[in-house]
Amino acid sequence: GAGVSQSPSNKVTEKGKDVELRCDPISGHTALYWYRQRLGQGLEFLIYFQGNSAPDKSGLPSDRFSAERTGESVSTLTIQRTQQEDSAVYLCASSRDRGPYNEQFFGPGTRLTVL
Amino acid sequence: GENVEQHPSTLSVQEGDSAVIKCTYSDSASNYFPWYKQELGKRPQLIIDIRSNVGEKKDQRIAVTLNKTAKHFSLHITETQPEDSAVYFCAAVRTGFGNEKLTFGTGTRLTIIP
Repeated sequence: GAGVSQSPSNKVTEKGKDVELRCDPISGHTALYWYRQRLGQGLEFLIYFQGNSAPDKSGLPSDRFSAERTGESVSTLTIQRTQQEDSAVYLCASSRDRGPYNEQFFGPGTRLTVL
Repeated sequence: GENVEQHPSTLSVQEGDSAVIKCTYSDSASNYFPWYKQELGKRPQLIIDIRSNVGEKKDQRIAVTLNKTAKHFSLHITETQPEDSAVYFCAAVRTGFGNEKLTFGTGTRLTIIP
């Protein structure tokens, strides 16, 4: 079946602009995760959804970052007033159910470049 | 919170030799440790995991060992092949209590030399 998809694959924006990143999880997967991967770094947890609610937002770097999920499906990550340090690959993952024992399936990522 | 350190950051081995990647974690209550492989330009994929109730787990040419006392765990790849070239990430988490957050290491870039 189809895997996790993300759009756009690449986004170049100017400092101060808002961007919206989209994630389409595997159908039926109730848990959805957002990560940030800076160049040469590991995966940094941003936020987790179970259904449409976000029990854990602890990783969001600042109030410029927000995310929502609708219909227990698509999720969007919004970054307002982008800064150069926001440049990174943003990865989305989904799993069948909550709990780290459930394998997370990753999308291809969105490479964000803030000029 | 949990902190995971991973070493080495880069590793080159001759094809056919073994490779070992080590991770240490800070939260003694962490009890689940997955390993992800990310090939160049591709998405991370789970390759093996271990729970704290066992000390070792094998799957063909890969194995993971866990030392709870020392709070470290390692990935072992034997008889390495060119397709093993990738970045490998370890992670740790304390399951339960509504905690879903995997804490990842910074990754090891493994290069297999033909």
